Amino acid sequence: AQSVTQPDIHITVSEGASLELRCNYSYGATPYLFWYVQSPGQGLQLLLKYFSGDTLVQGIKGFEAEFKRSQSSFNLRKPSVHWSDAAEYFCAVGLYGNKLVFGAGTILRVKS
Amino acid sequence: GAVVSQHPSRVICKSGTSVKIECRSLDFQATTMFWYRQFPKQSLMLMATSNEGSKATYEQGVEKDKFLINHASLTLSTLTVTSAHPEDSSFYICSAPPLWTSGGAGNEQFFGPGTRLTVL
Repeated sequence: AQSVTQPDIHITVSEGASLELRCNYSYGATPYLFWYVQSPGQGLQLLLKYFSGDTLVQGIKGFEAEFKRSQSSFNLRKPSVHWSDAAEYFCAVGLYGNKLVFGAGTILRVKS
Repeated sequence: GAVVSQHPSRVICKSGTSVKIECRSLDFQATTMFWYRQFPKQSLMLMATSNEGSKATYEQGVEKDKFLINHASLTLSTLTVTSAHPEDSSFYICSAPPLWTSGGAGNEQFFGPGTRLTVL
């Protein structure tokens, strides 16, 4: 069965520091992979997605993610975190019919 | 980007009552909408797929009679939690892929802000 693992429940980084959020997936075929961000009171917002091609994908707000098939990973990165990046981040695998299987999420805290 | 609204944002009800949650796509149409449930500190779990003009399809383990879904139009889906009990307390989120996307696997979809249901 398809699954997504986000091993870090909470991560705290200093403002201006780099960030990497981990995501591992289990899927039998080439996956469609997504990263979403959820801020309080707002719907999930798509940061970036990977379907095929270049394994390093760029997203909004300065985020990027790298697809590594050999490691079944799709880690999210940002070179310099801003206080406004504090939120919960979800990695997801896309299934046929536009269904999504989400990881448990990682809560990012940014300290000044 | 496209906007999806949910109403109400919060609802508190007594055990045994029914609660209706609306999901609206404000500036696009969708033949399909999805309902997710999110437990504290846990992932979003897909409950059901709402299909305009036909019956909803439910994920394994989701009680159809407990969670009634109606997709009344191309911009509105409703989730009714019938005879709610404290264990139904949760955060319910809807999402919708716009009509111009295909039924494949990789299309962007837009999420509502969620509805917090508390059953006393």
